[in-house]
Amino acid sequence: AQSVTQLGSHVSVSEGALVLLRCNYSSSVPPYLFWYVQYPNQGLQLLLKYTSAATLVKGINGFEAEFKKSETSFHLTKPSAHMSDAAEYFCAVKRNTGFQKLVFGTGTRLLVSP
Amino acid sequence: GAGVSQSPSNKVTEKGKDVELRCDPISGHTALYWYRQSLGQGLEFLIYFQGNSAPDKSGLPSDRFSAERTGGSVSTLTIQRTQQEDSAVYLCASSLESEAPLHFGNGTRLTVT
Repeated sequence: AQSVTQLGSHVSVSEGALVLLRCNYSSSVPPYLFWYVQYPNQGLQLLLKYTSAATLVKGINGFEAEFKKSETSFHLTKPSAHMSDAAEYFCAVKRNTGFQKLVFGTGTRLLVSP
Repeated sequence: GAGVSQSPSNKVTEKGKDVELRCDPISGHTALYWYRQSLGQGLEFLIYFQGNSAPDKSGLPSDRFSAERTGGSVSTLTIQRTQQEDSAVYLCASSLESEAPLHFGNGTRLTVT
């Protein structure tokens, strides 16, 4: 079975500061990993995905994540936070074969202060 | 349409009533997923469809919940005899293939009074 753990339900940063949102996964088979963002009253939007190609994955809005098998982690980073980054971020995992359900973490709300 | 469409966007119902939630996936997407998002609970998987069949119904919370998909397109999630704990945002998503990301609708916010 696959699962993800997101450490910290809330993360607060100042505008311009580094953003680091943590995600650790558990999977019995090589996983596919995803980060999604949810703005208020909207659905989820894909930020980036890892599907066994490059371990450093670049996504939209300046975000990137690195797949580290040894640490079973897929942390999301952005060098400089912008006010518009304030949202809820979800890490998700699925098996790398066939159609399988995507299992989400509980989410991390990013707060950005001026 | 350009994206996944869900209707209604908001639904308020009385405890004990039945409700139907609709999802129109992106045209051509063969996989369709239903998730439930409750405050502080993250996203809870309910069911997914591959075409018209549902290989994984493991997330349906009780037999009051059912879902169908017709013509490999539109899906309806039905909740019978609604309870207050059913109050949540119900999200639908579709995807083209196994490696493709999910595209989400904006959800239906269900409130059971």
